[in-house]
Parts: sequence; C-alpha cells; structure tokens
Amino acid sequence: GAVVSQHPSWVICKSGTSVKIECRSLDFQATTMFWYRQFPKQSLMLMATSNEGSKATYEQGVEKDKFLINHASLTLSTLTVTSAHPEDSSFYICSVPTSDNNEQFFGPGTRLTVL
Amino acid sequence: GQNIDQPTEMTATEGAIVQINCTYQTSGFNGLFWYQQHAGEAPTFLSYNVLDGLEEKGRFSSFLSRSKVYSYLLLKELQMKDSASYLCAVTPGGYNKLIFGAGTRLAVHP
Repeated sequence: GAVVSQHPSWVICKSGTSVKIECRSLDFQATTMFWYRQFPKQSLMLMATSNEGSKATYEQGVEKDKFLINHASLTLSTLTVTSAHPEDSSFYICSVPTSDNNEQFFGPGTRLTVL
Repeated sequence: GQNIDQPTEMTATEGAIVQINCTYQTSGFNGLFWYQQHAGEAPTFLSYNVLDGLEEKGRFSSFLSRSKVYSYLLLKELQMKDSASYLCAVTPGGYNKLIFGAGTRLAVHP
C-alpha cells in the first residue's frame, strides 16, 4: 500500500502564529489528498479535499482562509493553520486514496497544541 | 444529511467474539470501511464492503446489508492488543472522501 508521511509529528506554538503541516505520499502519485481533524475522544472529521493543480474543496463549516491548503505536486500537500488559537489544538491527519478508490492510506498524524 | 451511528463503548473478554454494529444514512453510497485506531495514532485499514455479504480476513470479518443500511465488524479470538477504537466510515460517492462515525472504543480484558 501507499506510504504516507507527515511533518511535523507534533508542534507546539503560541496563539496567533501560523503552523504548516506537510503530507507526503512517498511511493504513490496522488492527485487528491484529504485532510482530517480529530479532537480528543472524537472521530475524524473531514476538513477539505486537496486537489493537485487546483483549489481545495472545503467541507461545510471549515474556514478556507484559516486553513490554507496547497497541493503543489503529486506527492505533497500542505495545510497551514493561520493565526492559530487554542481551540485549533487537535490531531491533524492526511490521507491518500488509492486509484481504485477502495482504500485510503493515512499519514501518522500531526498533533498541534496552541498555547 | 450524513449520519453514521455506532456504539460508543464496548467491553469483551480475551478469547471471546465481539460484534460492532454500524448503521448509516448518507446522500449516496460507494462503499463502507472499517478502521482500527489506537490512541494517538492514525487509523489503519481493516476492511471494505461495497456489495452485500460477509468479507472475512483472518480474525476480522465485516458484513454489509445495503437494504438495511447496516454493517458490522466481527472480531474473533480477541486479544489484548485489539483494545482500540473501531471506526465505521462511508464513502458517499465521488472522489471517495470518507464520512466517519464517532467510533467504538473496545476494551478487551483478561
């Protein structure tokens, strides 16, 4: 299956700063990647669909100006949390779907803590 | 709207069998997934069902009934390491994005 990495694995930042999270598909070219957010003891919530070469598609209730997504190449998507606040503290996970759409491979996740 | 229901918590004994149910209500249906997630880690794929019936994979089996909009995950010969959250997810169709249920936290005790 596809190998997906995320960087950083964890980050602590001050309120008001911006944080960039990278998602890389190491052995699989991905025109689409997904970004999820998971709060403690809750399930994964889809935030947006990252599309290579075009704008991301955001789910209802997700602010596109706060969560900037850039899918610069077939192997890299970045999520930037702008002007982070403590309520943005969460576990952010990306995933890469297979070409037959029958499976998604998840990255190891990035734990963001905003002080 | 989209809604996926599964029990919040379950407990079971090592060596036993446990069934985790999932019902769904989505705008479309292109397959149902089960994932296992240990605390602080990313989900790992367990199974995928798109046609009615039972899919068996080792100690884990997954069943789907599209007419009843219902699925279950069956775990046999439970081991302590099976203590985790089990996530039911549906891809409504198109671009295969996943809609997750809240997850079922399974605790396996000796």
